Amino acid sequence: NAGVMQNPRHLVRRRGQEARLRCSPMKGHSHVYWYRQLPEEGLKFMVYLQKENIIDESGMPKERFSAEFPKEGPSILRIQQVVRGDSAAYFCASSPILKLTGAGEQYFGPGTRLTVT
Amino acid sequence: AQKITQTQPGMFVQEKEAVTLDCTYDTSDPSYGLFWYKQPSSGEMIFLIYQGSYDQQNATEGRYSLNFQKARKSANLVISASQLGDSAMYFCAMRPSGGGNYQLIWGAGTKLIIKP
Repeated sequence: NAGVMQNPRHLVRRRGQEARLRCSPMKGHSHVYWYRQLPEEGLKFMVYLQKENIIDESGMPKERFSAEFPKEGPSILRIQQVVRGDSAAYFCASSPILKLTGAGEQYFGPGTRLTVT
Repeated sequence: AQKITQTQPGMFVQEKEAVTLDCTYDTSDPSYGLFWYKQPSSGEMIFLIYQGSYDQQNATEGRYSLNFQKARKSANLVISASQLGDSAMYFCAMRPSGGGNYQLIWGAGTKLIIKP
């Protein structure tokens, strides 16, 4: 049973380009969470999605950032017109159920390191 | 406000010694979970240990134990008999029951370096 997959692992974009980050949740998981880790900081929640629905995007910047989790295929975090401040590690996590109790129910992927030059 | 504070930005510890990484939290939720994660230089986030706010016993997982002091709102991670492979960033995180019970709130991390 493969874990949470993220690709690419490293992504370099020039200012103004678009970045697309992909996350394939664990098999059987229908809940996906995106977090951002700026250099030297802890993770910050961005968005929570279920299949075809955005449940909570309170941590997403209002402009240039969007996320989706289609019925088929991976979840996508899209950053338009990237700026240097977008350089960070972006982590995806998935879970099988909504009401999380206990540990080990939110599984993290290896992250995508975005560098904006 | 929900917050996690890790006051030690970095620590050096001699191999085989025990190490305590500090974590204090702030929440008004009656129910919450506390987590510790390890992030080695390769960058992935590795779950280490979990403590529920209503758990009576302190959590233990192998060489990891969580010193949970609810009244002081602290959840320190103790690593016994440290090894060179323990060198990494360590993050404390909290999942409050409010707000949907799914968001993890993270501290800034402690960089642990084990000296041979």
